[in-house]
This record gives sequence, C-alpha cells and structure tokens, in this order.
Amino acid sequence: AQRVTQPEKLLSVFKGAPVELKCNYSYSGSPELFWYVQYSRQRLQLLLRHISRESIKGFTADLNKGETSFHLKKPFAQEEDSAMYYCASRVTDRGSTLGRLYFGRGTQLTVWP
Amino acid sequence: EAQVTQNPRYLITVTGKKLTVTCSQNMNHEYMSWYRQDPGLGLRQIYYSMNVEVTDKGDVPEGYKVSRKEKRNFPLILESPSPNQTSLYFCATSATSGYEQYFGPGTRLTVT
Repeated sequence: AQRVTQPEKLLSVFKGAPVELKCNYSYSGSPELFWYVQYSRQRLQLLLRHISRESIKGFTADLNKGETSFHLKKPFAQEEDSAMYYCASRVTDRGSTLGRLYFGRGTQLTVWP
Repeated sequence: EAQVTQNPRYLITVTGKKLTVTCSQNMNHEYMSWYRQDPGLGLRQIYYSMNVEVTDKGDVPEGYKVSRKEKRNFPLILESPSPNQTSLYFCATSATSGYEQYFGPGTRLTVT
C-alpha cells in the first residue's frame, strides 16, 4: 500500500531563514503529489501540486523519483507561514484505485519573529 | 459562492446512538470524500465517492457507512458509535479525484 511519510512532527525556524518540510512516499509507480496547508482556525487548503510546477506563497516542491521525495521548500520563511502542512499522494496508474488519497501525519511549522 | 458545508459542527453523543454527519457542496463536483483527523495520525481517508451511487472504502472504513444518492450530498453514518470514533471529521470535494480538494469546516465528534 502506498504510504506518505513526514518525518518531522514539529519544525521551528526564525523569520527569514530557509525552511524545508520533508515528505517521502513509498509507491514506486507514478503518484500525484500534493501539499496541503491548514492555518490556525482555517480549513485545509491546497498549497501546490507537483504536476503544476507552480510556486505558491514562495513555496516550491520538486518530485524526486529517485529518492521518492517531495520536499516543500521556501528560501525565506515568514511568520504567516506558521501552520500545519500535510503531504498527500494519489496513485495514477491504470487499474489502481484512483480515488484513494494518502496523507502524511503532518508537520507543524512555527516561524519565530 | 463555492461552499462545502458540514453539519453538525460539534456533536457529543453516547456509545451506540446512531448519528449522521451531513456534507453538502454546491460546486457540482463529482468526487467527495470523508477523512478523520487524529493527533499524531494526520488525515486518514474513511470513504470516498467518484460519482453518484459510486462509493468505495478508504483506509479506515470500519464502523462507518456512506451513501451518495445525489451529487451534492455525501452523508457519513455511524450506526453504532464507539469512543474510538471520537475525532475531527472533514468532508472534501473536487471536480475529479485528481484535482484540488476543497475541505469543509470539520465536525468535532465526541463519543462517551
């Protein structure tokens, strides 16, 4: 079964420092990968998808198939980036259960002033 | 305005008393899904629906039922709730399963 691992439960950085939230997936096929974010007292919302290759709020994430990783990065963290971040994956191969979405356990990012 | 609504938002109930949490969307989305969020475990998918009358199990379906009789609604049913179903529940919808999911506000359920 496909699994998503976020090894850091908590991550703290100072404002202006680079930040990297790690995500590894276990599936060797062709997954779609996402990062979702949940700000305090707000709904979960999509931050970015690997296939769109966008930069949202200064965050980027590159799919590394060799390392089966999809780490989220930002060169200069801001206080407003403090939130819970979830990595998620979906299998896309023919014959697979396309509706299944797997989330990691989340990383709580705190950016100190 | 695009909306995903859940009701109730908060519920305290007793073991064994059947309950239903409703989820409704006005975006004409085909895909709907239920998750539970528990500390340290992240989000786990309970059930999902690719379209009307099509539902399938997620990671943790035991103790839950769903139905998808119409596109806009996807209720989550707990026939005989138990304390281990105390959790924060989220409904989510998307145009199809591969697109951005829009999450509801969550329902905090406590089973005593």
